[in-house]
Amino acid sequence: GAVVSQHPSWVICKSGTSVKIECRSLDFQATTMFWYRQFPKQSLMLMATSNEGSKATYEQGVEKDKFLINHASLTLSTLTVTSAHPEDSSFYICSARRGTPSSYNEQFFGPGTRLTVL
Amino acid sequence: AQSVAQPEDQVNVAEGNPLTVKCTYSVSGNPYLFWYVQYPNRGLQFLLKYITGDNLVKGSYGFEAEFNKSQTSFHLKKPSALVSDSALYFCAVRDPLNYGGSQGNLIFGKGTKLSVKP
Repeated sequence: GAVVSQHPSWVICKSGTSVKIECRSLDFQATTMFWYRQFPKQSLMLMATSNEGSKATYEQGVEKDKFLINHASLTLSTLTVTSAHPEDSSFYICSARRGTPSSYNEQFFGPGTRLTVL
Repeated sequence: AQSVAQPEDQVNVAEGNPLTVKCTYSVSGNPYLFWYVQYPNRGLQFLLKYITGDNLVKGSYGFEAEFNKSQTSFHLKKPSALVSDSALYFCAVRDPLNYGGSQGNLIFGKGTKLSVKP
């Protein structure tokens, strides 16, 4: 099956610093990548959708200047949390979908990144 | 608006007994339905999906789900539960308004924690 990796798996940073999270599709080309945020014991909330080479589409209520998304290639998307604050602490999960946009194409999920802001 | 409901926060089952994790949906068109499993501090793993055809869908690890259009349900089932099945299970629906589009993100239920006791 298709594999999606995330790096780092766990990061602790000081308040006010920026953190970059990478998401890679290891064995397929991801036309579309999704970034989700998951709070403890809650469901996944979609933050943004990105297509390779174009600007990300952010969900309502997600600050695009705070959560910078770059989908520079068909195998790599990055999420940068700028000027992180303790309330940004969460589990961030990326997902990638391969091939042409189609409702039949599955989304494959990365293992997640645990961000803790002190 | 499209939505997915998982009415049970937690399901407890004895090992060897059958299990059911419930899911109902509300969409404007014909739904594409998915089940994912999440182990602690891990990303989501795909279990199975319903796109069209046979209402009974078989997936990974012995799981199956039945699409019931009249009841708008897609309950996850397994004839004989294993302790290793203990995890968080998410039902999801593909937004039918974005079929074929560049988005087509998944809408997730809040999740159901499955606990299988020896």
